[in-house]
Amino acid sequence: GQNIDQPTEMTATEGAIVQINCTYQTSGFNGLFWYQQHAGEAPTFLSYNVLDGLEEKGRFSSFLSRSKGYSYLLLKELQMKDSASYLCAVRDTDKLIFGTGTRLQVFP
Amino acid sequence: DADVTQTPRNRITKTGKRIMLECSQTKGHDRMYWYRQDPGLGLQLIYYSFDVKDINKGEISDGYSVSRQAQAKFSLSLESAIPNQTALYFCATSASQAGTPGGEQFFGPGTRLTVL
Repeated sequence: GQNIDQPTEMTATEGAIVQINCTYQTSGFNGLFWYQQHAGEAPTFLSYNVLDGLEEKGRFSSFLSRSKGYSYLLLKELQMKDSASYLCAVRDTDKLIFGTGTRLQVFP
Repeated sequence: DADVTQTPRNRITKTGKRIMLECSQTKGHDRMYWYRQDPGLGLQLIYYSFDVKDINKGEISDGYSVSRQAQAKFSLSLESAIPNQTALYFCATSASQAGTPGGEQFFGPGTRLTVL
């Protein structure tokens, strides 16, 4: 079966660092994506990992361990505008399978 | 700007009505997708198409049909709408060429559909 798990909600303080975890069990694996989605808006692409290790892009980093079926998204120097849902998605052959998303609230 | 557009953005309809949601893109991508999003359930794939002559069912295709009229256009139809099809619907596109960053999907702004 296909299963992607993320925490439902997280809270953090402006300026802090937060790590959002994602574990997956899928029949195939051809890369893992992270998307950001503000309420009522379209998801927007944040990062992509296909090999093990850390990918860094500005304040955001994403890590993948294929042997553990595990990824995390790290957000540094949190800003109020980072309050959004973060979606983990695994590409299984040619389709994306999405987790239910983690709603992050950033407080002043 | 190259973009993904959806029409209508909001629609309220009654049970039993036929509804069509339209998606157009100017990105030149060959792959197009339709998803629905319900609170707490994430994005679920309804149908997808890798070119004009290719249509594939996703996880939740029952009660829906699609038409790929051209490379740039992909429509989703609800033949006889029912209340549990009330949701936010997203169209997305991606490119199949090698060298893209993993073939990320680009999403349209969404259509909020309410079936009474």
